Amino acid sequence: DADVTQTPRNRITKTGKRIMLECSQTKGHDRMYWYRQDPGLGLRLIYYSFDVKDINKGEISDGYSVSRQAQAKFSLSLESAIPNQTALYFCATAGEMTYNEQFFGPGTRLTVL
Amino acid sequence: QKEVEQNSGPLSVPEGAIASLNCTYSDRVSQSFFWYRQYSGKSPELIMSIYSNGDKEDGRFTAQLNKASQYVSLLIRDSQPSDSATYLCAVNTGQAGTALIFGKGTTLSVSS
Repeated sequence: DADVTQTPRNRITKTGKRIMLECSQTKGHDRMYWYRQDPGLGLRLIYYSFDVKDINKGEISDGYSVSRQAQAKFSLSLESAIPNQTALYFCATAGEMTYNEQFFGPGTRLTVL
Repeated sequence: QKEVEQNSGPLSVPEGAIASLNCTYSDRVSQSFFWYRQYSGKSPELIMSIYSNGDKEDGRFTAQLNKASQYVSLLIRDSQPSDSATYLCAVNTGQAGTALIFGKGTTLSVSS
């Protein structure tokens, strides 16, 4: 089984809808991250969490919120989706003692119509 | 603003040649450096990490770091068509555990 899983893998939704992307990991890592990737813009950090009680905004947090339900679960929500949130979303994890080597989930392709 | 710069490419090399990928970063206090490989439509895969000046070799891959020049590179020897992918340079600029900053990636094409 994959160490980092993301659900759903693909999602098409409409403008204004609320949507949640979920990430689970079995690596035992404390640190979890959400990124989005757009052609020509690279990977950009949305939110990150160092443990269940620690949530930090990244470069592009506006329009997004997160929840760290447990050490192994980190969810990303789009409260009211808009078309420019169409992107490939990745969850990543890192262990405390690994110099921030990050391991990525398979990604969620989100389309907002 | 902390930045990581890469030539977007595409970098085209024939099979069996050495591919050289380069990356520069702006923050002098950067601590650790990573190379990720990303195939089209897939997630980034960590292939190399380097923390001190000099070279680090792993199979056909060699990472080179020069902190004085704020420069990190990845050499791929005996390039194979399966190496065709986008290579992302990532830099950890602060305390261990803070977020990485990624370059936009260099696309490598290896022709057979």
